[in-house]
Amino acid sequence: DTEVTQTPKHLVMGMTNKKSLKCEQHMGHRAMYWYKQKAKKPPELMFVYSYEKLSINESVPSRFSPECPNSSLLNLHLHALQPEDSALYLCASSPYHRLAGGNEQFFGPGTRLTVL
Amino acid sequence: GESVGLHLPTLSVQEGDNSIINCAYSNSASDYFIWYKQESGKGPQFIIDIRSNMDKRQGQRVTVLLNKTVKHLSLQIAATQPGDSAVYFCAENNDMRFGAGTRLTVKP
Repeated sequence: DTEVTQTPKHLVMGMTNKKSLKCEQHMGHRAMYWYKQKAKKPPELMFVYSYEKLSINESVPSRFSPECPNSSLLNLHLHALQPEDSALYLCASSPYHRLAGGNEQFFGPGTRLTVL
Repeated sequence: GESVGLHLPTLSVQEGDNSIINCAYSNSASDYFIWYKQESGKGPQFIIDIRSNMDKRQGQRVTVLLNKTVKHLSLQIAATQPGDSAVYFCAENNDMRFGAGTRLTVKP
């Protein structure tokens, strides 16, 4: 299984809602990532987990709360989002944190989030 | 800060022609580079990588060239096909961040 899966594919939420995005991989990868991608822009790194511990937080607002319950799962909890948070949220994994030969990232298809 | 960036935002080629997509980087300590392809509605997909101890690497219809002297990376796609239409990003290992991307459009 060389796939990263993300659920849901689409999510519409109000500014007062609480929702969660889920990401799963069964490749035994020990690094997992959240990216945010706006239309016609490159993916922007948000968080990196390495061995289930938060390794990098790119100064992301606290209304985004990541969680790594185990080595296969990565969640992104959303609360009190703003309309400008509407974007494609991509999850990725790699064998280890530092990218190197044979350590490339595998991306999921993303969750298209719309905040009303 | 140091970053990876691309020269051209869009590239349009005729089906069957060769495509060249360029990327500049500024971190001289970078020792590993990746090219990704992102089709509409999908996540980025790994295409090919290269280590800094190489200056060329070939895959199936794709070649990556690395010029460390001028800190320049290029992706060459041979006999470009409509299925190659996508946005192409380069990335480097010291920084899991992406450059601006080049949108490749293949005209039939």
